[in-house]
Amino acid sequence: NAGVTQTPKFRVLKTGQSMTLLCAQDMNHEYMYWYRQDPGMGLRLIHYSVGEGTTAKGEVPDGYNVSRLKKQNFLLGLESAAPSQTSVYFCASSYGQAIYGYTFGSGTRLTVV
Amino acid sequence: DAKTTQPPSMDCAEGRAANLPCNHSTISGNEYVYWYRQIHSQGPQYIIHGLKNNETNEMASLIITEDRKSSTLILPHATLRDTAVYYCIVRANSGGYQKVTFGTGTKLQVIP
Repeated sequence: NAGVTQTPKFRVLKTGQSMTLLCAQDMNHEYMYWYRQDPGMGLRLIHYSVGEGTTAKGEVPDGYNVSRLKKQNFLLGLESAAPSQTSVYFCASSYGQAIYGYTFGSGTRLTVV
Repeated sequence: DAKTTQPPSMDCAEGRAANLPCNHSTISGNEYVYWYRQIHSQGPQYIIHGLKNNETNEMASLIITEDRKSSTLILPHATLRDTAVYYCIVRANSGGYQKVTFGTGTKLQVIP
C-alpha cells in the first residue's frame, strides 16, 4: 500500500533549467494537490485537480504548470527554474472535498542555484 | 475559510498532556475544525476534526467551545514522537471545492 509517492526526493537545478515532479497515488483518489513549503511560511497551494483531465490554480501558481492525464498521476512542471522556487514540494490526494481524507507524499526537496 | 490563530511554539514534558489552542472567532456554522500535524521533513498527517461536539480518536481529543470560537487539541500522554508542527484549519465540507491552506501552525516540542 504505497499511498502517495513523489519522485524525485531531491533535486538540484541550475537557474533556467526545466524539470517535472511526479506524484502518483494508488488509492483511486479523485482530488490531487501540489503544495510548496518554505521556512516559516507553512504550506501554500500551487495547483490542484478535482479529477482526471482537470487542473486549477491555487495560491501561488506562477512559474508552474501541471497536468493530470491519468487519474493516478499529477505532474508539476517548472519551465524555467528560478532560485525563488527553491522549496520543499508536497503532493497530496483525497477522495473528495473533506480534508480529513488528505494523504500526503513524503516531499521533494528542490534547490535552484 | 475562517482565519485561525495559533501560538507559534509550545513545550510539553514527556508523559504529560499537551494542550494546543486554536482561535477561530469568525468561524461559520457549517465550518469544521481540523487538525493536522507535520513531523520534521514529512508530509502533514490528519489527526482529527469536529463541528460542534468534542471528538476523540486513538491519536487525540478535540475540545470545541460552545460558541465555537476556539478549540483545543489534546494529546493525553505526549511522547517524544509527538514533537511536530500542529496545524489548525477551519473549512466547510460542502459547497464545492475550497482551497485549503496550512498556516504556520504551532511547533510542539516534547521534552524528556
